[in-house]
Amino acid sequence: QQQVKQSPQSLIVQKGGISIINCAYENTAFDYFPWYQQFPGKGPALLIAIRPDVSEKKEGRFTISFNKSAKQFSLHIMDSQPGDSATYFCAAIIQGAQKLVFGQGTRLTINP
Amino acid sequence: SAVISQKPSRDICQRGTSLTIQCQVDSQVTMMFWYRQQPGQSLTLIATANQGSEATYESGFVIDKFPISRPNLTFSTLTVSNMSPEDSSIYLCSADVSGGAKEQYFGPGTRLTVT
Repeated sequence: QQQVKQSPQSLIVQKGGISIINCAYENTAFDYFPWYQQFPGKGPALLIAIRPDVSEKKEGRFTISFNKSAKQFSLHIMDSQPGDSATYFCAAIIQGAQKLVFGQGTRLTINP
Repeated sequence: SAVISQKPSRDICQRGTSLTIQCQVDSQVTMMFWYRQQPGQSLTLIATANQGSEATYESGFVIDKFPISRPNLTFSTLTVSNMSPEDSSIYLCSADVSGGAKEQYFGPGTRLTVT
C-alpha cells in the first residue's frame, strides 16, 4: 500500500511533442505528490507538486493532472525539448510523515 | 529552496574500509535524509537524521553499517562502514526547508565504488 507505481520505464518523444508519464497509488492517505527531475550525474530536483484537492497544476510547459477517484496522477511535458531528456520520478507522502515514497522512475529521451 | 553540497563527489575505496560522506545545507533544517541510488534505479531511503537525536533507519539498514551524525542544523555525515562491492552506489543527502519531508532538495550525490 505504500508503493507508487510509475510507467513507462522509458519513453522516447520527438522534439515538440507531448511527454506523458503516469503514476498510480493505493494508499488514500497520501496527500502530497511531487515530481522530481534528475539529470545524469546530478541529484534529483523538485520540479512540480500537487495536492489531491486540485485536479491540475501547471508551471510553464509542465502540468500535473490528478485523478483522485482513480488514484492516478500524471506529468505532461508540452513542447518537449532535448534539454528535457532526464529521468523523472513521481513521489507521494502522507501528511506529517517523514518519508517520501518514490516511483520507479521514467527515463525520458527527446529526439531532436 | 535550499542549496545542498556533498563531499566527496566520488571515491574508489577498498573493501573493508570506511568512507564518510559530508552533507552541508545553506540554511537551517530540522530533518535531513540519506538515500542510496543504484545507477538507473529509484531512490532508497537509508535513514532520517534529526538534529539532537538518533537517526531513524529504514528496514534493511543498520546503524553499525551506516552510522550518521547530525551535529547541527546545517550539517550531517553518513559513514559507510566495512565496505564491500555491494555498497557501490550513489549516496544522496536531502533536506526539506519547510521542516517536514514533502519538498526535499537533494545534493549532487557521492558516487562510491568499492573494489
